[in-house]
Amino acid sequence: DIQMTQSPSSVSASVGDRVTITCRASQDISTWLAWYQQKPGKAPRLLIYAASTLQSGVPSRFSGSGSGTDFTLTISSLQPEDFATYCCQQVNSFPLTFGGGTKVEIK
Amino acid sequence: EVQLVESGGGLIQPGGSLRLSCAASGFTFSDYAMAWVRQAQGKGLEWVSGISASGGSTFYAGSVKGRFTISRDNSKNTLYLQMNSLRAEDTAVYYCVGTVTTPPNFFDYWGQGTLVTVSS
Repeated sequence: DIQMTQSPSSVSASVGDRVTITCRASQDISTWLAWYQQKPGKAPRLLIYAASTLQSGVPSRFSGSGSGTDFTLTISSLQPEDFATYCCQQVNSFPLTFGGGTKVEIK
Repeated sequence: EVQLVESGGGLIQPGGSLRLSCAASGFTFSDYAMAWVRQAQGKGLEWVSGISASGGSTFYAGSVKGRFTISRDNSKNTLYLQMNSLRAEDTAVYYCVGTVTTPPNFFDYWGQGTLVTVSS
């Protein structure tokens, strides 16, 4: 199985800050990677797929990059509604696997 | 509007069985692969099982293989998850998920989730 390792597990930031979250795959997954946002008590929301493609309706302050084993989610200017947990997912091969999540908290 | 509505969760004793259902609407259900993803309280997401659009191909996480069965009825626009030999570690919110507007397995639609609690 492909292991997905996210870092950091949590980050404290202020509104307007630039936030970067990384995800590392245990083997090459090309660009078969997604990023999700999840708020407490809610289902996850797809933000980015194919490593860098912004899902329809997602604000442009979110961006993704990377290929192979190393990936990054960047929020260019953190907004109040962005405080949430973010997680990556590989879809290169079954079983599909998720990262452990990164909680973005208010500083 | 795409909607996925799960049902069938509840409290079940270890070793018991439960069948989850997911009613889909707002898209041509028979054209798209579907899956189940679960999340234990305070934990991360875990992909459980997936099924092709026709139902001819199914995939399972190692933790549920041999105990859970995914299926679909395209005439009823409904996805199922038959869960047998349930264990305490299967306790989680189970989400029905679909890939409608994106390439396969990038889950752009999620249900609200149904809670399964395995406990005596």
